[in-house]
Order: sequence, then C-alpha cells, then structure tokens
Amino acid sequence: AQSVTQLGSHVSVSEGALVLLRCNYSSSVPPYLFWYVQYPNQGLQLLLKYTSAATLVKGINGFEAEFKKSETSFHLTKPSAHMSDAAEYFCAVSKGNQGGKLIFGQGTELSVKP
Amino acid sequence: EPEVTQTPSHQVTQMGQEVILRCVPISNHLYFYWYRQILGQKVEFLVSFYNNEISEKSEIFDDQFSVERPDGSNFTLKIRSTKLEDSAMYFCASSAPTGGGQETQYFGPGTRLLVL
Repeated sequence: AQSVTQLGSHVSVSEGALVLLRCNYSSSVPPYLFWYVQYPNQGLQLLLKYTSAATLVKGINGFEAEFKKSETSFHLTKPSAHMSDAAEYFCAVSKGNQGGKLIFGQGTELSVKP
Repeated sequence: EPEVTQTPSHQVTQMGQEVILRCVPISNHLYFYWYRQILGQKVEFLVSFYNNEISEKSEIFDDQFSVERPDGSNFTLKIRSTKLEDSAMYFCASSAPTGGGQETQYFGPGTRLLVL
C-alpha cells in the first residue's frame, strides 16, 4: 500500500526566506511523486513531478524537489519566498500505472509574512 | 491553455436528495477521475474512468455513487441519496494517455457540496 505524510499542516515564512515543505512517502513499488498547489478558490495545479528520470526535479514558480530513496522523502523547496506563494501544497504518490489514482498527503498551508 | 471545468461551483442540497456534479475534462484526455476533500481532511480518490467504464474505485465509492460520460465532453458524478457526510469539495481530474503512468492529472476548480 502507498501513503504520503506531510509534516506540518501550517508553515509560515518571511518573504525572501527559504521555503521547505516536507513530504515522506511509503511505497512497495518505485513511486511516482507529485507536488500540487492550491490557491484559494482554485483547483489543484501541478508544481512538479518525479518519474525516475532525475532525482532533482525543477518545477514552476522557482520550486524544486529532491527525491531521496534512502530517506523515502520528496521535500519541496524554494530559495526565496514570495507573497504570491501563499497557498496550500499537496504531496501525492502514484504507482505509476497508466490512469492510476493519486494518493495525497494531508496538505501544508504556507503563509508568507511581509 | 485547456483546463478542466466543473459545474456548479457550489451546491446545497437536503439529505436524501440526488445530486449530479458535472465536469468537462480536457478534450483530448482519455482518463477521468473524481476526488473529494472533506473540510480539514486530505484529498481522497473516489473513482477513475477509462474507455466508458470504471477502472478503479475506492471503498468510499459505494452503491450510492455512479459516474457517467453521457456524451463526448461531459463526465458526471451522481450521488443518489445524499448523506450529511457527503458534504465535501469534489474535484474532477483528467489525464492524457502518455504511457508509462507518468501522465499529469489536471484538476478542475471543484464543486463544494453541502448536505443539510
């Protein structure tokens, strides 16, 4: 069975500070991993995804994530937070079968202080 | 840029009533999904749909739920007799058959369902 754990339901950073959102996964097969962002009153938008091509994945809006198999982690980072980054962030895992479901973590709400 | 759309954005219904949530997936996508998020909880998978049949469903997706693709563009989720615990945000998603399971699921903005 697959699962995802996001540590910290709320993270607050100052504008310009490093953003680190944590995600740990459990999977019996090589996983595909995703980070989605949800802005208020909008749907889920893909930030980036890991599909085994490279362990460091770059996404949109300056975000990146590193797949670490030994730590079963896929943490999301951004060197410098912007006010517009305030949103809810979801980590998700799939088995990689075509049309397969996504299993989501609990979500982390990111607040950015001026 | 193509996007998934959902209607209505909000729905209020009485317990026991039937509701139909509508989705228009991205036009060249072949895989369709429904997820839901109860307030304060994680996004949960309900069902996936391909080639006019359900390909996978969760334990949440019981006999009260059904999905349909009535024409070439719409994808619907029906709840036959709503319960209070069906109150949630329902998300539709779609993906293209890119192969290998690496495809991205594109999500709609959601329908917030409130059952009174």
